[in-house]
Amino acid sequence: KQEVTQIPAALSVPEGENLVLNCSFTDSAIYNLQWFRQDPGKGLTSLLLIQSSQREQTSGRLNASLDKSSGRSTLYIAASQPGDSATYLCAVRRGSNAGGTSYGKLTFGQGTILTVHP
Amino acid sequence: KAGVTQTPRYLIKTRGQQVTLSCSPISGHRSVSWYQQTPGQGLQFLFEYFSETQRNKGNFPGRFSGRQFSNSRSEMNVSTLELGDSALYLCASSLAGGVGYGYTFGSGTRLTVV
Repeated sequence: KQEVTQIPAALSVPEGENLVLNCSFTDSAIYNLQWFRQDPGKGLTSLLLIQSSQREQTSGRLNASLDKSSGRSTLYIAASQPGDSATYLCAVRRGSNAGGTSYGKLTFGQGTILTVHP
Repeated sequence: KAGVTQTPRYLIKTRGQQVTLSCSPISGHRSVSWYQQTPGQGLQFLFEYFSETQRNKGNFPGRFSGRQFSNSRSEMNVSTLELGDSALYLCASSLAGGVGYGYTFGSGTRLTVV
């Protein structure tokens, strides 16, 4: 059974700092990994998607890396801003089974609550 | 391009009643998944539909059911509501079960059972 762990559970930093959020998963047979952001009471906003064959993806101030063999991903946020305050979630999608039927289930971590103060 | 639309946004129901939630995926997306989010359990997978067929189901009781229509719109139904069913229910849309382009989530339906 896939388990996803995110560390730290909460993080508070001053504006302008660079920071790293960590995600680890127990089963390396993943198809891809997706990072999401969630604002209080809202849905999920996709930030970055990394396919299992990729090592990293970048979007603006965000960079996500994936080390499938060790079961780890990191989300790097450069020059943090108060508007980055939110809960960050990582989710892994299981890979296809031997019969070729793909399993579309995402397994989520518990999230990292990020607060960036001015 | 319109995103994933979930209706209604908020619902208050009484224990024992049933409820139906709706999700309209992004145009062209054939896969719809449903998740339940609670403070204690986090995000948990309910089920996934692709081309009107349920392909995958999470570990939830039979009171939770769903379906998908020919236009890819999906509904989920919860019968005999319990207080513990209070949660944010999120729908996710993808081209084909998350292959290639990942998932896009809606804003969710906040269900409160009293």
